[in-house]
Amino acid sequence: NAGVTQTPKFQVLKTGQSMTLQCAQDMNHNSMYWYRQDPGMGLRLIYYSASEGTTDKGEVPNGYNVSRLNKREFSLRLESAAPSQTSVYFCASSDSTYYEQYFGPGTRLTVT
Amino acid sequence: RKEVEQDPGPFNVPEGATVAFNCTYSNSASQSFFWYRQDCRKEPKLLMSVYSSGNEDGRFTAQLNRASQYISLLIRDSKLSDSATYLCVVNGNAGNMLTFGGGTRLMVKP
Repeated sequence: NAGVTQTPKFQVLKTGQSMTLQCAQDMNHNSMYWYRQDPGMGLRLIYYSASEGTTDKGEVPNGYNVSRLNKREFSLRLESAAPSQTSVYFCASSDSTYYEQYFGPGTRLTVT
Repeated sequence: RKEVEQDPGPFNVPEGATVAFNCTYSNSASQSFFWYRQDCRKEPKLLMSVYSSGNEDGRFTAQLNRASQYISLLIRDSKLSDSATYLCVVNGNAGNMLTFGGGTRLMVKP
């Protein structure tokens, strides 16, 4: 099993550009999550999907959109990137929202 | 008050030492508790779940004190490879979601 995979691993964008971060899990988990991690800020939840067909905002959703494409895949879209979105983005999955989560390797995004 | 609070450290200890971290949480209704480990520039990885009766996994022991709303992690016989950031995780308020603490950094020196 690959667990949770994310693409791309690294990305540099110019302000105003858009991009989609991809995430897939092969553990048949119901719930999936997108976090960002900034120095000194810890992990902050952007959006989550408790089950296929549902998505909800987390702590810091502004500037992002998500799509739960199917049970395996959960994508995060930046429509108009801003320097404040420079961060490391982690995708995670779990059986349920209160069970342990398993993380992907992360995407390092720089917006100039 | 933050939902999950940890001392950020760093805790600098020599190899072979015993070190303990505490974490406090604000939601008395929390039911799920975990410790994660995060290496520099890597993703968080589950270290162990924390059960009401306490649990041990090799050199690692986790304890839960519901009355005082804190969780502890004890590492015995520290190894250089234990150097990492340890994240305390509790299921919080909104939608029974997991909330991550800011992490405690451990540095084990030779």
